[in-house]
Amino acid sequence: LAKTTQPISMDSYEGQEVNITCSHNNIATNDYITWYQQFPSQGPRFIIQGYKTKVTNEVASLFIPADRKSSTLSLPRVSLSDTAVYYCLVGDWTSGTYKYIFGTGTRLKVLA
Amino acid sequence: DAGVIQSPRHEVTEMGQEVTLRCKPISGHNSLFWYRQTMMRGLELLIYFNNNVPIDDSGMPEDRFSAKMPNASFSTLKIQPSEPRDSAVYFCASTFREGRGFFGPGTRLTVL
Repeated sequence: LAKTTQPISMDSYEGQEVNITCSHNNIATNDYITWYQQFPSQGPRFIIQGYKTKVTNEVASLFIPADRKSSTLSLPRVSLSDTAVYYCLVGDWTSGTYKYIFGTGTRLKVLA
Repeated sequence: DAGVIQSPRHEVTEMGQEVTLRCKPISGHNSLFWYRQTMMRGLELLIYFNNNVPIDDSGMPEDRFSAKMPNASFSTLKIQPSEPRDSAVYFCASTFREGRGFFGPGTRLTVL
């Protein structure tokens, strides 16, 4: 089961780009990489998912190098409302479904 | 779509009482997950189902915990008897195959 490692916390200022890197050295061939965001008193919310190279959607980009042992979530021009905990997950494909295991996450604080 | 629905949103009970948490996954999703979140232990995967069948319950802390999924649109997590250390936020999530997971709003359980 692939384990992920992320920084515990990060601070940024409004308008800056934030990059959060996750290490997953034991990622398996069929594993996908998924990022979630969680605000206080809410359930985690899906941000982005990818397998290799680069994925972009309306809120973030995900960069995955060729060896897939790490990934970087990029949040462009953050605002105060992006203050949250961000989790990197590596999907463990078991019995036809993913077993999503959450690590400690990265607590991002956006300052004015 | 209403998303994943959990009830009750808040539950306060006394030690020794039975507690039942309920979840309605998103229609069409074939996997359902139960998580528990505390400050000390973060987000823990308790059990997950695929096509209504329990796949992995290794995260269930004790025999006091049990979960059922009698059909594709309903699941319960039961704690009997409850203890103060069971106090946490319990989340239910559902996914379709390897797709994005959707979390419910959670049930905040307080055991006195």
